[in-house]
Parts: sequence; structure tokens; C-alpha cells
Amino acid sequence: KNQVEQSPQSLIILEGKNCTLQCNYTVSPFSNLRWYKQDTGRGPVSLTIMTFSENTKSNGRYTATLDADTKQSSLHITASQLSDSASYICVVSGQAGTALIFGKGTTLSVSS
Amino acid sequence: NAGVTQTPKFQVLKTGQSMTLQCAQDMNHEYMSWYRQDPGMGLRLIHYSVGAGITDQGEVPNGYNVSRSTTEDFPLRLLSAAPSQTSVYFCASSYLLGSTYEQYFGPGTRLTVT
Repeated sequence: KNQVEQSPQSLIILEGKNCTLQCNYTVSPFSNLRWYKQDTGRGPVSLTIMTFSENTKSNGRYTATLDADTKQSSLHITASQLSDSASYICVVSGQAGTALIFGKGTTLSVSS
Repeated sequence: NAGVTQTPKFQVLKTGQSMTLQCAQDMNHEYMSWYRQDPGMGLRLIHYSVGAGITDQGEVPNGYNVSRSTTEDFPLRLLSAAPSQTSVYFCASSYLLGSTYEQYFGPGTRLTVT
């Protein structure tokens, strides 16, 4: 069964600290993996999209990595800010490119 | 560009009532979709459309109808609301960028069915 598992479920860190969120998937065949940021009461916003041939992609303080062999991805946030408080969702697309499998998300709280 | 807009932002319905959730995009994207988001679950696809006049079912289509008469609009109709349809509904539009679809979500409609 195609699944996307994210860990941890929730995380609290101090402002200025780094953190890493994990995503494991069983989707096969695999086309691409996305990370979205969803602020409370808003729709998800794309942070990065990686195809199977890409190992890492950055978007400002956000860096995503992908290991297609082990079917694992991580999202690293550097020097966290209060505005990083949100849910981070990992989404995997199968070969067709349109069938998206969503993870349940990791809720990040950044405190001062 | 306004992007993807959804109306209303909030709605309360009684069981058995019908209503339409509106979704519009001004980016000329061919692909549009509707998702529902429930606590403790990932977003689930309800219906999608690959262009005007073409719609198809997603993972959880029961109780919902869609139509796509124009590229811009993709309304979602609840035929007879049930408490199980209490959820947050997101509309998204997408375009093909290389080999992947770049997806934009609307702000969501929070629906409560009593």
C-alpha cells in the first residue's frame, strides 16, 4: 500500500535553533517528493519539489534531502524563526505525476 | 493575480442540506482538484479535473459532485450534507513544470455539518 509516514508528529524548538523533520514513503513507482508548509488556517504552500534524480534542494533556510534508494527524505530548517511555526507536509507522487500521497504532517512550534 | 480563491471561508449546514463550495483561479491552469483535510489525517483527494469539461473521481468522492464548465472555475457540490463531511476543504490548481506539477492551494473552506 502506498504510504507516507512523517516523524516526529510534533516538535517544539527555541528560536534560532536548527531542526530536521523526517519522511519515509513506500510509494512505488516514484516520480517526485514535495515538502509543503501549512500555516494555521491557511492552505499548504510548496517549499521544494525533488525528482528521483535529485539528492538535495534548498529554499532559503529550508533544505530538503532525498534518498530514493532507502525511500527517505528530510527537511532541515536552519536558524528557526517564530514564523516557521506551522505544519510541514511531505507529499509523494507516483509515476503518473498526478496521484499525490500526503503525509499527516509534522507540527513545528518555535518559541522565543 | 489573486491565485486560487475559495468561498465561503466558513459554513455551517444542517444534515441533509445541500450547498456549493466555490473555487476559482486566474492563472489559466488546466488542472484543478478538491481535497478535504481532517484532524490526524493527510489531505485526501475528492475530485479532480484535467481541463474544462473533464472531471474524475479521487480517493473519497462519495457525497460530492463537481463540474468544470470553464478553465477558471471548479465548484464542489454537497448533495445532502452529513456530519461525516465536517472538514476543511481545499481547492488547488496546478500546471506542468518540466516533469512535475506545480500546485497552488486556496485558503480553504471550513465546513461544519450538524
